[in-house]
Amino acid sequence: AQSVTQPDIHITVSEGASLELRCNYSYGATPYLFWYVQSPGQGLQLLLKYFSGDTLVQGIKGFEAEFKRSQSSFNLRKPSVHWSDAAEYFCAVAPLSGGYNKLIFGAGTRLAVHP
Amino acid sequence: EAQVTQNPRYLITVTGKKLTVTCSQNMNHEYMSWYRQDPGLGLRQIYYSMNVEVTDKGDVPEGYKVSRKEKRNFPLILESPSPNQTSLYFCASSQASPGRKEAFFGQGTRLTVV
Repeated sequence: AQSVTQPDIHITVSEGASLELRCNYSYGATPYLFWYVQSPGQGLQLLLKYFSGDTLVQGIKGFEAEFKRSQSSFNLRKPSVHWSDAAEYFCAVAPLSGGYNKLIFGAGTRLAVHP
Repeated sequence: EAQVTQNPRYLITVTGKKLTVTCSQNMNHEYMSWYRQDPGLGLRQIYYSMNVEVTDKGDVPEGYKVSRKEKRNFPLILESPSPNQTSLYFCASSQASPGRKEAFFGQGTRLTVV
């Protein structure tokens, strides 16, 4: 079955520290991959996406993610976290081919940032 | 400004009272979807639409209806709401073009059914 696993439900980091949020997927073929961020009371905002090419992708707000086919992973990273990064982060996958891009989401990782 | 607009943002209702949550997008997207978000479960798809008059069930369609009479609008209808439909709902839209399938989300509708 297709699924997305985000192993960490909550993560707390200090402001200025580096961050890595993990995402593993189970899919029939390499899917289209996304990271979204949800700030409190807000909708989901796309941070970055991958569907082909360079496996290290850059996104908004200083985030990047690396696709590793051998590990079925798409981990999100940021070298220096800011207090405003406190939010919930969702990894999602969708089929590359086919008529409809149904998104399958992980359960999310809630990030807290200590000053 | 390109956006997906949902209304209302907050809604408290009683069991069995029909309600509609509206969703509108101004990006001329072909695809639209409804998701519900529950703690620990992430977002789960309720219904989706690939174009006008084309809709289909997602993973959790029970108790919901949708319609797509115009390309920009995709309302979610709860004919007889129950407390287990208390949740945070998101509408999303996306293009059909390969490589541009990322979804754009509305601000969400927090529904409480008592």
